Amino acid sequence: DQQVKQNSPSLSVQEGRISILNCDYTNSMFDYFLWYKKYPAEGPTFLISISSIKDKNEDGRFTVFLNKSAKHLSLHIVPSQPGDSAVYFCAARDSGTYKYIFGTGTRLKVLA
Amino acid sequence: KAGVTQTPRYLIKTRGQQVTLSCSPISGHRSVSWYQQTPGQGLQFLFEYFSETQRNKGNFPGRFSGRQFSNSRSEMNVSTLELGDSALYLCASSLVTGYEQYFGPGTRLTVT
Repeated sequence: DQQVKQNSPSLSVQEGRISILNCDYTNSMFDYFLWYKKYPAEGPTFLISISSIKDKNEDGRFTVFLNKSAKHLSLHIVPSQPGDSAVYFCAARDSGTYKYIFGTGTRLKVLA
Repeated sequence: KAGVTQTPRYLIKTRGQQVTLSCSPISGHRSVSWYQQTPGQGLQFLFEYFSETQRNKGNFPGRFSGRQFSNSRSEMNVSTLELGDSALYLCASSLVTGYEQYFGPGTRLTVT
């Protein structure tokens, strides 16, 4: 039972263009959402988060959008840079247990 | 501030053996969570400790156990290792339960 799904295992984007990574969830008890970036041989690094009471949060080149009615989350990276090439995980927090549930990740490749 | 540290970084064990992994959280962080990452499965939650007490538990067999010490350092133990336990084990710390988690580099366990 995958409560957090990242349906695209991989994504390739040209440098300078927009990267859009998507995440769907099923549990309406999730109240906080995060995106992490992971390079090989390193642990995931926290990127950006959004509370369920908001629909958008921006931090520099990174913007996260939340559509609660569709139970959909997306991360926009503009402009994309080769250094953004990594695996991106979305995670959702259960408001009852405070447990984080992670998606399976999307591998982003930004082509120079 | 030093990040989350995990030891050892790499480990090779034989089926049937047991293993103990260690995690030192960021100074001041009292919550430590453990995750298993395998290809295609994302990060699977094992358990979370806060103030030496297990707060949350994932869906793993009893062979997987953990503990937390008074200085917030945590250990994870896996007994009677199986080939399927080969994975990257990640530790994450946060100030308290439910806050953003910061990950260590992981311990790569290979069971032969």
